[in-house]
Amino acid sequence: DQQVKQNSPSLSVQEGRISILNCDYTNSMFDYFLWYKKYPAEGPTFLISISSIKDKNEDGRFTVFLNKSAKHLSLHIVPSQPGDSAVYFCAAKEGTYKYIFGTGTRLKVLA
Amino acid sequence: GAVVSQHPSWVICKSGTSVKIECRSLDFQATTMFWYRQFPKQSLMLMATSNEGSKATYEQGVEKDKFLINHASLTLSTLTVTSAHPEDSSFYICSAAGTSGMADTQYFGPGTRLTVL
Repeated sequence: DQQVKQNSPSLSVQEGRISILNCDYTNSMFDYFLWYKKYPAEGPTFLISISSIKDKNEDGRFTVFLNKSAKHLSLHIVPSQPGDSAVYFCAAKEGTYKYIFGTGTRLKVLA
Repeated sequence: GAVVSQHPSWVICKSGTSVKIECRSLDFQATTMFWYRQFPKQSLMLMATSNEGSKATYEQGVEKDKFLINHASLTLSTLTVTSAHPEDSSFYICSAAGTSGMADTQYFGPGTRLTVL
């Protein structure tokens, strides 16, 4: 049973426009969420995180929104750049350190 | 800061041999390290969690006698794939969680591609 879901396996966006990546979760006990970016044959790179006490966290071009009632979070990238093309994973923290990862969304930013 | 290295980055071995993968936190002390496996176009699957100086905790379905994990120091954890078979071919990634202010974030290594012939 997939507790963290990313229903869009891929997304294409024009350079300069907004990229919106979505993530849904089923466990209401999750209280900390993270987004990671991954290039092929490399380890994931931490992007941004959000605690359940917040509904928004911003870091430069990246903003994460959390809707606890809908059990939904999204990552906004504005403006999108070709270098943002990668696979993006959302993750929910379970317990002290364990992460539950979604299946990833492949973002392609077109020049 | 928060750099995690893995060695080797790529290994090919014959079926039946054992392979050791090292994971090091280079600029912080990692009380907890994690080992993941990723199949093509799939999510990262947590295999086990290791705490320095104690036995690793394996996820359901992961054979602890096949995937030996040692976390001997605060900066080094090793994963040994024993008697490797072609179905063990995969991309193995480690991560490290820091202490105090870094406790909420796992930092990932670059991964190790294992191919078993």
